[in-house]
Amino acid sequence: GAGVSQTPSNKVTEKGKYVELRCDPISGHTALYWYRQSLGQGPEFLIYFQGTGAADDSGLPNDRFFAVRPEGSVSTLKIQRTERGDSAVYLCASSPGHNTEAFFGQGTRLTVV
Amino acid sequence: GDSVTQMEGPVTLSEEAFLTINCTYTATGYPSLFWYVQYPGEGLQLLLKATKADDKGSNKGFEATYRKETTSFHLEKGSVQVSDSAVYFCALSEGDGDMRFGAGTRLTVKP
Repeated sequence: GAGVSQTPSNKVTEKGKYVELRCDPISGHTALYWYRQSLGQGPEFLIYFQGTGAADDSGLPNDRFFAVRPEGSVSTLKIQRTERGDSAVYLCASSPGHNTEAFFGQGTRLTVV
Repeated sequence: GDSVTQMEGPVTLSEEAFLTINCTYTATGYPSLFWYVQYPGEGLQLLLKATKADDKGSNKGFEATYRKETTSFHLEKGSVQVSDSAVYFCALSEGDGDMRFGAGTRLTVKP
């Protein structure tokens, strides 16, 4: 597609449930990033992929969070046993390589009730 | 670790006023620096960037100069418009690839 696509755009889930958030990056972009943005805050780094591998997952808050990018394109962020504090907008971005502009998707607004 | 500190907002200006949003950074190496903007109801988009010291990024009348000696990348515009109302984020990226953002500064421009 023309830009970074994230689905769903909104997700409401019950506390304790499992959710998957999908990111479809710009074709050919090797770098893919996941961020979490709470209201009134800047994007908080979660994980960065270079190709299929996670180059830096230091931002994942705990082991309930996991992300994959099996074929070096689409990525899925997985959250187990969701908690109300996980409610935020989850942003995905992709870029052609290091130190270059990151193109952001519209985000998935996750609400845990 | 690498980090970015932005001037706290919100900032409210009248149309045609001069804008400065301060940004300072901490980095171990020589990062690239960015300003991103988020208009109401839209996703983050790149406003401008600079990849090395003394570079000036510019776009849509906005400018920012990469100052290594003061570790700063302040955003400026000589005459703001109502349409510039948005949240502005300073960010940096080093060789390891991940991008770090400041907390954002909300700008409101009144006619």
